[in-house]
Amino acid sequence: SQTIHQWPATLVQPVGSPLSLECTVEGTSNPNLYWYRQAAGRGLQLLFYSVGIGQISSEVPQNLSASRPQDRQFILSSKKLLLSDSGFYLCAWRISGTTDTQYFGPGTRLTVL
Amino acid sequence: QKEVEQNSGPLSVPEGAIASLNCTYSDRGSQSFFWYRQYSGKSPELIMFIYSNGDKEDGRFTAQLNKASQYVSLLIRDSQPSDSATYLCAVYASGGSYIPTFGRGTSLIVHP
Repeated sequence: SQTIHQWPATLVQPVGSPLSLECTVEGTSNPNLYWYRQAAGRGLQLLFYSVGIGQISSEVPQNLSASRPQDRQFILSSKKLLLSDSGFYLCAWRISGTTDTQYFGPGTRLTVL
Repeated sequence: QKEVEQNSGPLSVPEGAIASLNCTYSDRGSQSFFWYRQYSGKSPELIMFIYSNGDKEDGRFTAQLNKASQYVSLLIRDSQPSDSATYLCAVYASGGSYIPTFGRGTSLIVHP
């Protein structure tokens, strides 16, 4: 069966500091991968998605970036965090070429102070 | 701009009642429809998906799809306090899109 991991689970960072969040998927090959952010009391905002290694599409221009160095690894980064970057960051995956079902990881709660 | 609309609620129902959650979408060519449950502080969990017009039942949950009217609903029978959560509707457009459009969710409160 497939499993998705995210770490860290929680993070408190000062404004202007760098960020690196990691997501890995087990039990499948060539998944579609997604990064979402959910601000407090808000809906899901798609940040990035990837259909393969090195293939990243950005949905929202901002100070975040994403990379996919391996088939089942997706990394979200920032060089300098803003207060507005606080939120619940969710990685999701979907089996490409079959059903559309998207599954979410456990998430990372980021607080920027 | 593809849109998925949900009443934010909260929808409050007594324990044992039927909870009815609704979602409308703007893209008439949408193909796939999903319901997620999200407990406070947790990530969304898939509970139902539906592709064809009509009803689909899974335990206490029934998803209903009406493509002509562009709405999808989720019925929860015999609601329990543990069903209290936010329910997210997600819709995939036609044309092989990789990206679902999510509604902002409806908060459900089941009171004893």
